[in-house]
Amino acid sequence: EVQLVESGGGLVQPGGSLRLSCAASGFTFSSYWMGWVRQAPGKGLEWVANIKEDGSEIHYVDSVEGRFTISRDNAENSLYLQMNSLRVEDTAEYYCAMIGYNSGWYHFFQYWGQGTLVTVSS
Amino acid sequence: DIQMTQSPSAMSAFVGDRVTITCRASRDIRNYLTWFQQRPGKVPRRLIYGASGLESGVPSRFSGSGSGTEFTLTISSLQPEDFATYYCLQHDSYPLTFGGGTKLEIK
Repeated sequence: EVQLVESGGGLVQPGGSLRLSCAASGFTFSSYWMGWVRQAPGKGLEWVANIKEDGSEIHYVDSVEGRFTISRDNAENSLYLQMNSLRVEDTAEYYCAMIGYNSGWYHFFQYWGQGTLVTVSS
Repeated sequence: DIQMTQSPSAMSAFVGDRVTITCRASRDIRNYLTWFQQRPGKVPRRLIYGASGLESGVPSRFSGSGSGTEFTLTISSLQPEDFATYYCLQHDSYPLTFGGGTKLEIK
């Protein structure tokens, strides 16, 4: 069974930093793209970043480019999101999600973690 | 960036009704579209991939159609557990973009 467990959320002041982690199990982590999706309180879903199986290809939404860094440790089956220069508008639930692959098709966000809440406030 | 416009943004319906939600892309995304359901306080759940493929375990009353710029999610006979918010996602090109969501409420 695929399991994704996020951690690292919390309250941080504007301009501060946080590092989110996502522990993966139940599948061969090193064989799949992974991503982060966030949801501000009472708002819709927003894609944040994706990373290729070996970390060689990374994409970000413009609003976090240069401030957030997605990374992974395949030996530890873990995904990370380093968030720097945090802004009030980064307040959201952050979900780790797996991108499946089968028969030539990428299955975006086929599995999700339970999320970790990041609150940016003074 | 590709904009995804969902309509309606909210709607109410009766149990047993047939419901259709639309997602329009600002340019051709072929069939690179996924639909998600999010019940209140819950994690999003994938329903439809590749515009029309039914995710394993999802009831057959859910169906998706479309290609290019216009897509629909249809629920053939609403059940109480279907009252939720639905989102489309385009993954034809980066940045990936979600629609704004359609909140489906009980009438």
